[in-house]
Amino acid sequence: AQSVTQLGSHVSVSEGALVLLRCNYSSSVPPYLFWYVQYPNQGLQLLLKYTTGATLVKGINGFEAEFKKSETSFHLTKPSAHMSDAAEYFCAVSDRGGNKLVFGAGTILRVKS
Amino acid sequence: NAGVTQTPKFRVLKTGQSMTLLCAQDMNHEYMYWYRQDPGMGLRLIHYSVGEGTTAKGEVPDGYNVSRLKKQNFLLGLESAAPSQTSVYFCASNRWPQDTQYFGPGTRLTVL
Repeated sequence: AQSVTQLGSHVSVSEGALVLLRCNYSSSVPPYLFWYVQYPNQGLQLLLKYTTGATLVKGINGFEAEFKKSETSFHLTKPSAHMSDAAEYFCAVSDRGGNKLVFGAGTILRVKS
Repeated sequence: NAGVTQTPKFRVLKTGQSMTLLCAQDMNHEYMYWYRQDPGMGLRLIHYSVGEGTTAKGEVPDGYNVSRLKKQNFLLGLESAAPSQTSVYFCASNRWPQDTQYFGPGTRLTVL
């Protein structure tokens, strides 16, 4: 069975600082990996995804993530945080043949001015 | 395109009451999903559908039923609501299994 662990349920950064949200996964088959963002009282929106090919994936709003198979990680980063980045972020995994996403518990990002 | 829409946005039920949540998508997607979101637990899959007329159980199906009579609609039913079903429910859809899932805005359900 697949699983996702997001380290840190809450992360706080200053505006302009580096954002690092951690995600580790468990999968017995090569995974597809996703990061979604959820703004207050809204649905989830895809930030980026890794399927095959280049392990460094760039997404919307300046976010990127790197798939590291040896570390079973898919950490999300952004060089400079903006106030508008405050939201909850979810990492998710699916297997390549399936259609079911398994989500992590989420990380709430707070950006301080 | 409206994308994925959900009806209603909010609902309060008493224990034992029944209700149906409606999900509609206008993207001609084959696959549709129902999730519930609870604090500290992320989203968990309740049921999903791989096409019109088909449904399958997800991770937490107990207490819920679903139907997919039309390709664009996916209904989630609670026959006898329980307080443990207080949650935010999200519907999602995609074209094929590995495709990005597109989410609706959610339905906040409280069961007293």
